[in-house]
Amino acid sequence: QKEVEQNSGPLSVPEGAIASLNCTYSDRVSQSFFWYRQYSGKSPELIMSIYSNGDKEDGRFTAQLNKASQYVSLLIRDSQPSDSATYLCAVNREDGGSQGNLIFGKGTKLSVKP
Amino acid sequence: KAGVTQTPRYLIKTRGQQVTLSCSPISGHRSVSWYQQTPGQGLQFLFEYFSETQRNKGNFPGRFSGRQFSNSRSEMNVSTLELGDSALYLCASSFGQGPGKLFFGSGTQLSVL
Repeated sequence: QKEVEQNSGPLSVPEGAIASLNCTYSDRVSQSFFWYRQYSGKSPELIMSIYSNGDKEDGRFTAQLNKASQYVSLLIRDSQPSDSATYLCAVNREDGGSQGNLIFGKGTKLSVKP
Repeated sequence: KAGVTQTPRYLIKTRGQQVTLSCSPISGHRSVSWYQQTPGQGLQFLFEYFSETQRNKGNFPGRFSGRQFSNSRSEMNVSTLELGDSALYLCASSFGQGPGKLFFGSGTQLSVL
């Protein structure tokens, strides 16, 4: 089983809709979770981090974490064409330690249609 | 504050050659990590340096090596290049307070012919 799994997409949503991006992970001891956005031809940038079960909101973005189900998601409300990018889920396998414990999924490509 | 700077932006090499990539982290960041990104494998961790010491290493052959200098700048070297080494190589810096909050450079696109 892959350590961090994401649907590769593309996920296509109309402008103004809610985009829902999902990620599952295999290691139950995982402690922290991150979402990165990568525009085509650009490098990844961190947009959200979440550490405890529940929801975390930041503007139009909401990260949701369910450790029992080993599931983390990112909701983008009022999606805009500028949100079109690949979204990478990253999971830290243990508390503290080095970046080597951070495992990235392969990403979900989101396309927001005007 | 200046971001993470990687040079060069593009490189074309032939099989068997070696290459050195450079990364200057954000001022004050002590951790520098290197990643290989390919369409098929996604982002793969190469290694991390913290205060001039390699803190962790990914599952890559010994042809991939790196180092960090006292000013936190880092270099990555790949010897005896193979066609499969063609990829985007990303450097990321962080303050060092645990994994996850990475700031990536623009990357070096390496093509091996």
